[in-house]
Formats: sequence, structure tokens, C-alpha cells
Amino acid sequence: GENVEQHPSTLSVQEGDSAVIKCTYSDSASNYFPWYKQELGKRPQLIIDIRSNVGEKKDQRIAVTLNKTAKHFSLHITETQPEDSAVYFCAASYNNNDMRFGAGTRLTVKP
Amino acid sequence: DAGITQSPRHKVTETGTPVTLRCHQTENHRYMYWYRQDPGHGLRLIHYSYGVKDTDKGEVSDGYSVSRSKTEDFLLTLESATSSQTSVYFCAISQTHGETEAFFGQGTRLTVV
Repeated sequence: GENVEQHPSTLSVQEGDSAVIKCTYSDSASNYFPWYKQELGKRPQLIIDIRSNVGEKKDQRIAVTLNKTAKHFSLHITETQPEDSAVYFCAASYNNNDMRFGAGTRLTVKP
Repeated sequence: DAGITQSPRHKVTETGTPVTLRCHQTENHRYMYWYRQDPGHGLRLIHYSYGVKDTDKGEVSDGYSVSRSKTEDFLLTLESATSSQTSVYFCAISQTHGETEAFFGQGTRLTVV
């Protein structure tokens, strides 16, 4: 079945620096790749998503890139702020459009 | 926030007892999902529903059953709870299956002792 690998599992950056989280997937038919942010004790919430017909998408300080040939996609956060501290999950559609999630990355932004 | 609520928010139960978690939506979304969240595993799909009385298994369905008798309600039942089912359970809703944003409920923390 689909396997979504996410790295790193933890990431610590200084405020103002950039953060990059990478995911790989195995199902070549995957066509939808969302990213969710989960603050401590809260529900996951979508922050950005990308479809297979697009290579890059930006929304203010966050961007996602997709390389279908290599089957990997990445989340980029620029000018990080303490409120960016959270757990981030990547996901990829699979088979009959089930979603498979990565194991998560705990991002800490130090002031 | 999307209109999706879970109940209860917290529950402690004993091994071998039945447990039912409820998810209620006010968005009239066709698809409803139950996930469990465990450290190191992200979110794993248990079961999902694509309409009233229409359900299918997910990645980790063993030991769980679901029912959807109304568009707005999706129930998750642990017939005989085990300690391995201690987890945080999230319900989610979506307009399409695996192609658009999923909106999550607040989560239910279940402890089986």
C-alpha cells in the first residue's frame, strides 16, 4: 500500500530562519498532497495543499513543492515565528483516494 | 471552524468493555472519517463513510466498527476495548474523497485500562 515517509521527525530553528520538511510517497497515482498543522492539544488544520498538475504553490510565508518523478514533496516556511511551532503532517492520496499521512514533524521556533 | 463535534472529549474505560464515540457534523458533507493518532504514526484511517449506511474499512480497522444512520452522525464502536486502542481519535469530514480538504473534530482521548 501507500507509504508516506516524513523527515525530519523534529526540527528546531531560530526565529526568522527557514524550515523545510520533506515527504516521499510510493503510489505513482497519488494526485493530491495536503499539509496539516496541529498545535498542541488542538485539531489538525490544513495550511496548504498541492495537486499533481502543479509543481509549486505559495501562500505568504509557506510554500509547497512537488516532484512527481522523484515522488517527493516539501513544505517550506520562511521567516519563521514562534507561532509556527507545532506538529506538521504531510499526506498523499492513495488507491481509491484514501489519504495516507506521514508520521509528523515537530517544529520548534526559538525566539 | 467547520461544524464538526465529537463526544465525549475524554473517556477512560476498562479492558473488555464496549465504547462508542460520536461524531456530529452540520456541514452536510458526504464523506466522514475516523482516524486514530498515535506517537510516531501520524493519523491512520480506521473506517470511513461515503453516505448513509455506506461505509468502508481503512488502514487499521480491526477491532472497530462504524455506523452512519444519518448524514450528520458517524459512530465509532470498539466492541471490546483493549489497551492497544488507547489513543486520540479524530473524526473528519470532507466534500470529496481524498481530493479536498478534510476538516477535523476536536478529538477524543480514549484510555483503556
